[in-house]
Amino acid sequence: DAGITQSPRHKVTETGTPVTLRCHQTENHRYMYWYRQDPGHGLRLIHYSYGVKDTDKGEVSDGYSVSRSKTEDFLLTLESATSSQTSVYFCAISWDGSNTEAFFGQGTRLTVV
Amino acid sequence: QKEVEQNSGPLSVPEGAIASLNCTYSDRVSQSFFWYRQYSGKSPELIMSIYSNGDKEDGRFTAQLNKASQYVSLLIRDSQPSDSATYLCAVNGDNDMRFGAGTRLTVKP
Repeated sequence: DAGITQSPRHKVTETGTPVTLRCHQTENHRYMYWYRQDPGHGLRLIHYSYGVKDTDKGEVSDGYSVSRSKTEDFLLTLESATSSQTSVYFCAISWDGSNTEAFFGQGTRLTVV
Repeated sequence: QKEVEQNSGPLSVPEGAIASLNCTYSDRVSQSFFWYRQYSGKSPELIMSIYSNGDKEDGRFTAQLNKASQYVSLLIRDSQPSDSATYLCAVNGDNDMRFGAGTRLTVKP
C-alpha cells in the first residue's frame, strides 16, 4: 500500500461545528487531492494541492478549505459542517498530476447530524 | 465543466464472459486515462492506465482509447466473481483528475 494515512477514519459531528480531516503521506508525492464520494455521484474533487502552500479549487469546493504547510500533510476543513457534507472523503496522492495515477487513502466516513 | 460519463449499471455478466465497460469524456485536451476498481467499502485502486490511441493489454484486462471519439473502454476477459466491484474511469486535466460516477459490475457464478 502507498503510504497514505487519513484521520480520523470515522467521525460524527453536529451541524455548525468545524471539522478538520487530515491526510498524511510518506511518499513525497507533489500532488495531493481531496475527494468526496456520494452514491450516484462518484468521486468529486473538492480541492487539490500541487506543492506546499499551493492549492486550488475543485468542482465542489464551497464550504471547504484546505491547507498544506508541509509536503506530507494536506488538511481539509469544513468551517461549519452541514448535513449535505455527510459523505465519504478520500485523500489521494500523485507524483505528477497530469500524467500519473493517483493512490488513495482508506477514506473517512463523516456524518453530520 | 469537464465531464466524465459512465453507464452506472449495474452490469451483470456470467462467470467466464467478457465484461465491457465504457467511458466518455468532454475535455479534448485530456492526455491520460485510468481505470480504477473499487470494492464496496474500500478505496479505489488502479487497474490500468492508457495514454495513446489503441489497445493496451494487461492479463485479463484490456483498455481501449479513442481520442477522436473521446471514449475509453475496459474489457475484462474470463470474468470472475472476484471482479465484482465498481469500476471508475478517470481522466487527467492540467493538474486535477476527474472521475466518472462508476459502473457497478456483478459477475455471477
